Amino acid sequence: QQQVKQSPQSLIVQKGGISIINCAYENTAFDYFPWYQQFPGKGPALLIAIRPDVSEKKEGRFTISFNKSAKQFSLHIMDSQPGDSATYFCAASKSNDYKLSFGAGTTVTVRA
Amino acid sequence: DVKVTQSSRYLVKRTGEKVFLECVQDMDHENMFWYRQDPGLGLRLIYFSYDVKMKEKGDIPEGYSVSREKKERFSLILESASTNQTSMYLCASRSGGSGGGYTFGSGTRLTVV
Repeated sequence: QQQVKQSPQSLIVQKGGISIINCAYENTAFDYFPWYQQFPGKGPALLIAIRPDVSEKKEGRFTISFNKSAKQFSLHIMDSQPGDSATYFCAASKSNDYKLSFGAGTTVTVRA
Repeated sequence: DVKVTQSSRYLVKRTGEKVFLECVQDMDHENMFWYRQDPGLGLRLIYFSYDVKMKEKGDIPEGYSVSREKKERFSLILESASTNQTSMYLCASRSGGSGGGYTFGSGTRLTVV
């Protein structure tokens, strides 16, 4: 059973558009929510992360929105560029746990 | 630049063979992990180690074992490879303490024929 559910499985966006990926979790003990970016042939790399004491975190064109009551968080990629084409994974963990639970991944394709 | 290095990018093994996947990190991290990545299933945890000689099962440990004799090295062992173990295997490490992201290796694509 997957502890973090991610959608959509894939999306295509035009250059300059907004990509939105959504994740939902059940375990209310989760308190760390990172996003990873994976290019073909590479391992995932940490992109941005949030803790539940804030509702939004922005780093450049990437923003995480967090809704604690709905147990949902999302990644927004603003002004999407072809170089953003990759697979994105959301994840969650508890601060007293070593392990991350990952979503199934979203493949983003940005068309020039 | 910090690194997690997996010894092989591609491996082809025969059914029934014993397979060793090696992972080395140079960040002095306490925690190390082995995941497998399959389309539509995301990353699933096989085993992890929180210290030298310490290991714990993840979500899908069946058919696998691990070894961590030194802090920097974490090995994944397929005792008797089967075709359903054909997958991408990813090693990761993380500093001890609460929270914090993983650093992943580039992966080993294993094909069992």
